[in-house]
Amino acid sequence: QSVLTQPPSVSGAPGQRVTISCTGSSSNIGAGYDVHWYQQLPGTAPKLLIYGNSNRPSGVPDRFSGSKSGTSASLAITGLQAEDEADYYCQSYDSSLSALVVFGGGTKLTVL
Amino acid sequence: EVQLVESGGGLVQPGGSLRLSCSASGFTFSSYAMHWVRQAPGKGLEYVSAISSNGGSTYYADSVKGRFTISRDNSKNTLYLQMSSLRAEDTAVYYCVKEAYYYDSSGYYYYMDVWGKGTTVTVSS
Repeated sequence: QSVLTQPPSVSGAPGQRVTISCTGSSSNIGAGYDVHWYQQLPGTAPKLLIYGNSNRPSGVPDRFSGSKSGTSASLAITGLQAEDEADYYCQSYDSSLSALVVFGGGTKLTVL
Repeated sequence: EVQLVESGGGLVQPGGSLRLSCSASGFTFSSYAMHWVRQAPGKGLEYVSAISSNGGSTYYADSVKGRFTISRDNSKNTLYLQMSSLRAEDTAVYYCVKEAYYYDSSGYYYYMDVWGKGTTVTVSS
């Protein structure tokens, strides 16, 4: 059971918009900690997708966007493409944990 | 180009030990904190450990505290993870990750930006 809750799976057709939620609590996202998102394509290492709730590293298409409100955060993907099919993880910090860093359980995005 | 290359994984018996290494290049290694994150087969990401840029501060997940030791040699641009008393549940791909930061008027903020390809650890008899 992850401290940050993500839906196990989401799906969408090419060109559509999908969102992935990341729900936390008052000891992590709700405490004001940043949320970061990582994309893991099949058989590869995770890659940074969004940092600081809504910032995209250079090279990440603007089809990807992030937001945060209260105890939750969301990743939105517009203009869905086949190559977006991957696992997506949110990450934040939790003051109740000794190591502070916490990941969501991950969401498998299927492009129909 | 920033590169992180892990090594040292393999098959080890329960109760055994293993040391992972992560060779870093393309950035000033001694200026950045570093992390280890693992992923069990078919599972999600699990945070393992972190070390500050000068090695003076270390952090561990409860699941590995007392069994794993993170360290670094800034003269060799290398990060280590010494693992002992290994258990079947430690079986995973272990990723070395570089920390980055950004700042605004409120202060500095940290995130993990570059990941290595990982090294596989299998604990089994």
